[in-house]
Amino acid sequence: NAGVTQTPKFRILKIGQSMTLQCTQDMNHNYMYWYRQDPGMGLKLIYYSVGAGITDKGEVPNGYNVSRSTTEDFPLRLELAAPSQTSVYFCAGGGQGESGYTFGSGTRLTVV
Amino acid sequence: AQRVTQPEKLLSVFKGAPVELKCNYSYSGSPELFWYVQYSRQRLQLLLRHISRESIKGFTADLNKGETSFHLKKPFAQEEDSAMYYCALTSPGTYKYIFGTGTRLKVLA
Repeated sequence: NAGVTQTPKFRILKIGQSMTLQCTQDMNHNYMYWYRQDPGMGLKLIYYSVGAGITDKGEVPNGYNVSRSTTEDFPLRLELAAPSQTSVYFCAGGGQGESGYTFGSGTRLTVV
Repeated sequence: AQRVTQPEKLLSVFKGAPVELKCNYSYSGSPELFWYVQYSRQRLQLLLRHISRESIKGFTADLNKGETSFHLKKPFAQEEDSAMYYCALTSPGTYKYIFGTGTRLKVLA
């Protein structure tokens, strides 16, 4: 019962580089989300998906892209990394009604 | 606009003292409210949801619609309660949560 799994746990990128943050879940959640967590700022929604093939922007989507080809996987893509994208990224699944989210363990990304 | 406010960034209490973590919200309707907790080096996890009216690890939270608050309380703090606590709101039937900025609770021995 892995739940929601994120990889990698840590990454350092140079400005302009690209990378994909992986998120996979085995809980059969239709709903999945990507948040970023900045110190003192709480969690901000980047993108979300309500099912395979359906994605939509959240509050802070600029500089990111997502895809949802399967129910299990919801990768987050950074095309041209910028220092402003230094943050901790959380993937989550579920959240319908009162059931709450299941979070991944997070990816700490530093852009230098 | 929908908003969740946690006015305290840091709350320090002594072991055995009562704890109250404040959460106020702005929402035109009947929201669903949650408390999430993040212990050191662990992932965020659901602690409480208002609709269940449950007590988890000695914590309770009551939704006060008149004051638009959902404060988290525990009568006697334990050292293992030290963590980051987030209050969150969602609209019934939707799927996007709005999180507060979090309060770090430190329970001192």
